[in-house]
Amino acid sequence: KAGVTQTPRYLIKTRGQQVTLSCSPISGHRSVSWYQQTPGQGLQFLFEYFSETQRNKGNFPGRFSGRQFSNSRSEMNVSTLELGDSALYLCASSPGDRNYNEQFFGPGTRLTVL
Amino acid sequence: AQSVTQPDIHITVSEGASLELRCNYSYGATPYLFWYVQSPGQGLQLLLKYFSGDTLVQGIKGFEAEFKRSQSSFNLRKPSVHWSDAAEYFCAVTYNNNDMRFGAGTRLTVKP
Repeated sequence: KAGVTQTPRYLIKTRGQQVTLSCSPISGHRSVSWYQQTPGQGLQFLFEYFSETQRNKGNFPGRFSGRQFSNSRSEMNVSTLELGDSALYLCASSPGDRNYNEQFFGPGTRLTVL
Repeated sequence: AQSVTQPDIHITVSEGASLELRCNYSYGATPYLFWYVQSPGQGLQLLLKYFSGDTLVQGIKGFEAEFKRSQSSFNLRKPSVHWSDAAEYFCAVTYNNNDMRFGAGTRLTVKP
């Protein structure tokens, strides 16, 4: 099975712009979670989508949003970019239908905001 | 507050030496526990996990971890470290299949 893929791998944007990141989960997985990783804050949970519905949300401002399509692919959008949004954004997929799913991570998208 | 603590930010060991990375959690009940490894510029790879049962769990690459309920700990061990083990290691917990909480990570350096 192919692993979790994320596109693009690297992205450079300027303050005020918006960005969309994409994540394709492992085939058959219906849950996709997004995480932000920064040197200062570490790994932080953004949100999780399951069967096209946001099932859980972390403590991030409304500028961070996401969606999931019927094929389980997910996108994450950040509007009005700030310098502090520079980070590695990781997505993880899991089957999603039990309470202790192991999550499989993609390689991440490195976002740099100038 | 719920938290995951990895007390050691950076550890250096000699190749061939044993390794123990510490992880403590603060939750109301026993969560599901994980150790992940991250190489520079890469995503996270699962080393091992604990859900229930035997408190000593075996993982990939020769790693093992022991869950100690009384100490709220889930320490990662390896008897003999290889140079390729140099990476960052994250302990993580969750009560369900989302909102995984991670420790701050421990960076492992391996001396030749």
